[in-house]
Amino acid sequence: DSGVTQTPKHLITATGQRVTLRCSPRSGDLSVYWYQQSLDQGLQFLIQYYNGEERAKGNILERFSAQQFPDLHSELNLSSLELGDSALYFCASSATTGVNSPLHFGNGTRLTVT
Amino acid sequence: AQTVTQSQPEMSVQEAETVTLSCTYDTSESDYYLFWYKQPPSRQMILVIRQEAYKQQNATENRFSVNFQKAAKSFSLKISDSQLGDAAMYFCASDNNAGNMLTFGGGTRLMVKP
Repeated sequence: DSGVTQTPKHLITATGQRVTLRCSPRSGDLSVYWYQQSLDQGLQFLIQYYNGEERAKGNILERFSAQQFPDLHSELNLSSLELGDSALYFCASSATTGVNSPLHFGNGTRLTVT
Repeated sequence: AQTVTQSQPEMSVQEAETVTLSCTYDTSESDYYLFWYKQPPSRQMILVIRQEAYKQQNATENRFSVNFQKAAKSFSLKISDSQLGDAAMYFCASDNNAGNMLTFGGGTRLMVKP
């Protein structure tokens, strides 16, 4: 068990809808990362937060947004959903922002857009 | 931009035998890190091994070792004494020392035959 908790495990919704994915990082970790794993794009980095502030953006669509709250949990909001947004969304956490701080991945949220 | 390529979509190995998974990468950075992650059917991403580019010595973790060829930009994973539990997707990834914003390859599915 990595200590990173993601909810829900599965989510099925329709095109055009909005969903929120939640992540609780490992105890003591200040940095949260979101990754998307899809058949088309593979595994790609979306966005990083550190202690409540956005630190880095990857290939995140404008329809997607995220935030990290004072208690360090994070939410990824996906809106105007399209079929192509169906994917496994991973949250990962690390103690700090440096690469010497290992990433711990959650089990992911499987999003299916119908 | 970094790219990571895994040319073997699928590999198979007999239990107790040795298998090598290939990975090539491209980066303009002089300082970077390379990783192998395992994704079993449980879908959690598990770090197998990491290599700092400035270190000439190949990393080793128990039955897992890498062959890091910096000039050739090659980073292969060798699994010795393969076990049934090694069956999984394996992803090669790179980090340009920006801090855990990993670029992943497309993955190699490893099957272990009893």
